[in-house]
Amino acid sequence: KQEVTQIPAALSVPEGENLVLNCSFTDSAIYNLQWFRQDPGKGLTSLLLIQSSQREQTSGRLNASLDKSSGRSTLYIAASQPGDSATYLCAVNEMDSSYKLIFGSGTRLLVRP
Amino acid sequence: NAGVTQTPKFQVLKTGQSMTLQCAQDMNHNSMYWYRQDPGMGLRLIYYSASEGTTDKGEVPNGYNVSRLNKREFSLRLESAAPSQTSVYFCASSPLGDRAYEQYFGPGTRLTVT
Repeated sequence: KQEVTQIPAALSVPEGENLVLNCSFTDSAIYNLQWFRQDPGKGLTSLLLIQSSQREQTSGRLNASLDKSSGRSTLYIAASQPGDSATYLCAVNEMDSSYKLIFGSGTRLLVRP
Repeated sequence: NAGVTQTPKFQVLKTGQSMTLQCAQDMNHNSMYWYRQDPGMGLRLIYYSASEGTTDKGEVPNGYNVSRLNKREFSLRLESAAPSQTSVYFCASSPLGDRAYEQYFGPGTRLTVT
């Protein structure tokens, strides 16, 4: 059974710092991996999607990498801002079903001014 | 374009009471989903509807029923609420088929069962 783990559970950094969030998964037979952002009282918003054949994706200050063989993904946030404060979740999409997303428990990020 | 909307935003129930959570989407998506999120855990799929007229169980369906009312609306019913159902419930929608992983989420319903 696929399990997705995110470490750390919470992170507090000063504004301007570069940071890395980690995601690991137990079964490398994935179709893709997504990073979501969750704000309090709001739904999840997809930030980056990496297909299984890709190594990384970039959007603005965000860069996500994928290493399927080791079952790891990282989300790199450059020059963090207080507006980046949110919970970040990763989710893997399994090969046998395009709808099935297996979520990690998330990393709660606080960027201090 | 409101995306995915959910009602209510908050609800408190007593054990044994029933209620229905409503979800609607205006993106003309075929597939819709209900998830729950518990503290310290990721989202877990309760039920999904691949297309109008079909529903299937997800990972944690016990204690819930669903109705796909039409293409836009997908409701989740708790017939006899239990404290273990205290959670945040999210509805999502997506295109059908190969792009079903492109899920768009509503803002959630925070449910407390006492």
